[in-house]
Amino acid sequence: SQTIHQWPATLVQPVGSPLSLECTVEGTSNPNLYWYRQAAGRGLQLLFYSVGIGQISSEVPQNLSASRPQDRQFILSSKKLLLSDSGFYLCAWGRQGMPQYFGPGTRLLVL
Amino acid sequence: EDQVTQSPEALRLQEGESSSLNCSYTVSGLRGLFWYRQDPGKGPEFLFTLYSAGEEKEKERLKATLTKKESFLHITAPKPEDSATYLCAVQGWPDGGGGADGLTFGKGTHLIIQP
Repeated sequence: SQTIHQWPATLVQPVGSPLSLECTVEGTSNPNLYWYRQAAGRGLQLLFYSVGIGQISSEVPQNLSASRPQDRQFILSSKKLLLSDSGFYLCAWGRQGMPQYFGPGTRLLVL
Repeated sequence: EDQVTQSPEALRLQEGESSSLNCSYTVSGLRGLFWYRQDPGKGPEFLFTLYSAGEEKEKERLKATLTKKESFLHITAPKPEDSATYLCAVQGWPDGGGGADGLTFGKGTHLIIQP
């Protein structure tokens, strides 16, 4: 069966500091990978998706970036965090036309 | 642009009191409609996929239905453990917006079942 991991589970960072969140998937190959953000009172917002190694598409302009160095690894980064980057970050995997399966999430608080 | 609106925002029921959650959507071409359950502080858990109007799916006390404009999640004789936020999402075809594969989510319905 497939498993998706995210870490860290919780992160508190000062404004202007860098960020690196990691997501890995087990039990499947060549998955589509996604980063979503869930802010209080808002629905899940798609940030990035990837259909393969090194292939990243951005949905929302922001100071975040994503990379996919390996088939089942997806990384979300920032050089300088903003207060507005606080939220619940969710990684998901899926295939075209099929459900997406989510990881446990990372709670980020920027102070 | 794909849009999803869920109602009500919050719903409080007594144990055993059946009800329905609504998901209204607009999408240029529906590839799939998805229901998820999310517990506090956790990632969404997949429940159902519906692909075409008239389709129905059931799982324990939950039943999802789909029309051309909306979907309903019916909950029959709920128990306290059914308390959660229920999310609806749509996936359109690439030229309908929302990214080649991304899901467009509603804000969810926060369901509380009181014993």
